[in-house]
Amino acid sequence: DIVMTQSPLSLPVTPGEPASISCRSSQSLLYSNGYNYLDWYLQKPGQSPQVLIYLASNRASGVPDRFSGSGSGTDFTLKISRVEAEDVGVYYCMQAVETPLTFGQGTRLEIK
Amino acid sequence: QVQLQQSGPGLVKPSQTLSLTCAISGDSVSSNSAAWNWIRQSPSRGLEWLGRTYYRSQWYNDYAESVKSRITINPDTSKNQFSLQLNSVTPEDTAVYFCGRYRDGHIDYWGQGTLVTVSS
Repeated sequence: DIVMTQSPLSLPVTPGEPASISCRSSQSLLYSNGYNYLDWYLQKPGQSPQVLIYLASNRASGVPDRFSGSGSGTDFTLKISRVEAEDVGVYYCMQAVETPLTFGQGTRLEIK
Repeated sequence: QVQLQQSGPGLVKPSQTLSLTCAISGDSVSSNSAAWNWIRQSPSRGLEWLGRTYYRSQWYNDYAESVKSRITINPDTSKNQFSLQLNSVTPEDTAVYFCGRYRDGHIDYWGQGTLVTVSS
């Protein structure tokens, strides 16, 4: 199975400041079609996860443009340009290049 | 707008079978471009993908090795839904269970989640 490793696991951020989360995979997520099968999800308290970024860098419908994803192969980053109070929750990366789909441990973002 | 509505018991006795259903609206379980997944979440195991069913001229299933001997995911085209059965449950199967639609490289719709507790 592909192991997904996120850092940091806890991320206190002042509103208006940027934030960055790293995700590394134990194998390349680059598929033969040229896409990296790496997604980012946010799970707000008491809710189901919701997709933010898919295929490494594509913002999902309705996701604010302060969220961006980058990376290729085994190293990926989620960036929030200016954190807002509503961004609180746990962020997960997930690989979908092969089954079983696997998730990172999660990064808990909190507001300072 | 796609919606996934989960149903099923929240309490299951050890050694019995966990059964959940995910009703789909706004899409078809027979879609040629989607896959229908079950994922669970617990404090000890985090988010864990369990398996999926999908239709590409015929039905396919994929299951996680960790539950492969105990799991069945079935589509029900007459009711446009899919189900999860997990046999011989133990307290380690206690988790929040989610269904989800996978399409275009991501899980774009999730069910509301069902807390299933395995206890006598």
